Formats: sequence, C-alpha cells, structure tokens
Amino acid sequence: DTGVSQNPRHKITKRGQNVTFRCDPISEHNRLYWYRQTLGQGPEFLTYFQNEAQLEKSRLLSDRFSAERPKGSFSTLEIQRTEQGDSAMYLCASSQEAKGEAFFGQGTRLTVV
Amino acid sequence: GDSVTQMEGPVTLSEEAFLTINCTYTATGYPSLFWYVQYPGEGLQLLLKATKADDKGSNKGFEATYRKETTSFHLEKGSVQVSDSAVYFCAPPIYNQGGKLIFGQGTELSVKP
Repeated sequence: DTGVSQNPRHKITKRGQNVTFRCDPISEHNRLYWYRQTLGQGPEFLTYFQNEAQLEKSRLLSDRFSAERPKGSFSTLEIQRTEQGDSAMYLCASSQEAKGEAFFGQGTRLTVV
Repeated sequence: GDSVTQMEGPVTLSEEAFLTINCTYTATGYPSLFWYVQYPGEGLQLLLKATKADDKGSNKGFEATYRKETTSFHLEKGSVQVSDSAVYFCAPPIYNQGGKLIFGQGTELSVKP
C-alpha cells in the first residue's frame, strides 16, 4: 500500500471556474476526511465519510463545495465558481474507525487567479 | 468539550538545542494521544503516539509521555536539527472528536544552523 494519494498536487485556475480534486485513501480504511489549510493555520475540517456515507459537513463550507465517495473507496471534492479566497492547500486523510490515527496525503495546492 | 491545547509558536532554536513543545488536554482521559508533524509544503504525518496512560511514544529522536497526573503529552527532543523545522500538532484520537479530527494551529519550529 502506497498510502493516501491526492491528485493533482497543484492546480491553478481562473476565478469562476470549477475544479475537482481526487483522493485515494489507504484501501482498508473506511473513513475519509477532507481539510483545507491556509498559510500559518492548522487544517480546517471540511467533511468526512464513513464508507460511502457523508457523515458531517462543516458549517463553514459553502454550497459551492461538494464531496462524494460513491463506492466507499476514492473521493472527489469539487469547488464550483471558484473565488480567490478558495486558494489554499486541500488535504485528504483516511483512517480505520477503531484506530485513533489519521493518514494524510500530500495535499492539493489550489491557486485561484 | 474535550480538547487538547498546545503552546503557540513560533519556536526558534539553534541546532543541537533541547526542544519541548507543551500539550495539555482537558478530558477524563483519552485512550491515546498523538503528535503529527507537517514539513513545509507537505501533508501531515504521524510522528508518534501513546496508547495508554504512562505510555511513552518515540520516533526520530522525539519522545512524548502520556501523563495523567498532569494531563500532559509534551513533545521533547534532546538535540534538534535543521531538518526538524516543521509545524507540530498534538491531537487526541479521531473517534474522541465525534468521528472527526480537528486540529489547532500547531506549533511552528524553526531550527537555525
């Protein structure tokens, strides 16, 4: 197992465009998490899945953000009508429910110009 | 609610200096505690963990002991290197936060040669 994989690593987009990121978790992990991180801050929780069910979504997340995990394996995070304030590092993590630690991907750095 | 609190950064040390980053928790007791590290431009990775009270986690020269009597899990290293420059996060298990892992700002460490 190669760990949590995120694609792309970097994305530059024009304001108003839609972007989609992908996360492939560790295969036996049933939980998957998305975070957003801006410079100098800790990761900010966005949403998480247990298998294919989205169990919680942060109230800070606007309607422009949507996440899916259709078969309980990989997940996608889509941002519609991107704004400059969406520029950040987007991190994905996975875990096994019974174990306390999370495993993170390398992140996708989004720049909205 | 239950939470962990860690000292604010940034912390600046010279190479070979002794490092302590404080972490305290407010709870009747977590089953386990974790330290994560984030190197520049990367995702978070698990640095070490303690799986019960009085347990010591260690990795890469870092140590932390889960002390119930002082509700602490301080991170220590006897001799830091420039390559230890990173942001460090103390965290409880995922399942103690309603199934999601919420991070604070972390403590930024900068080691000068």
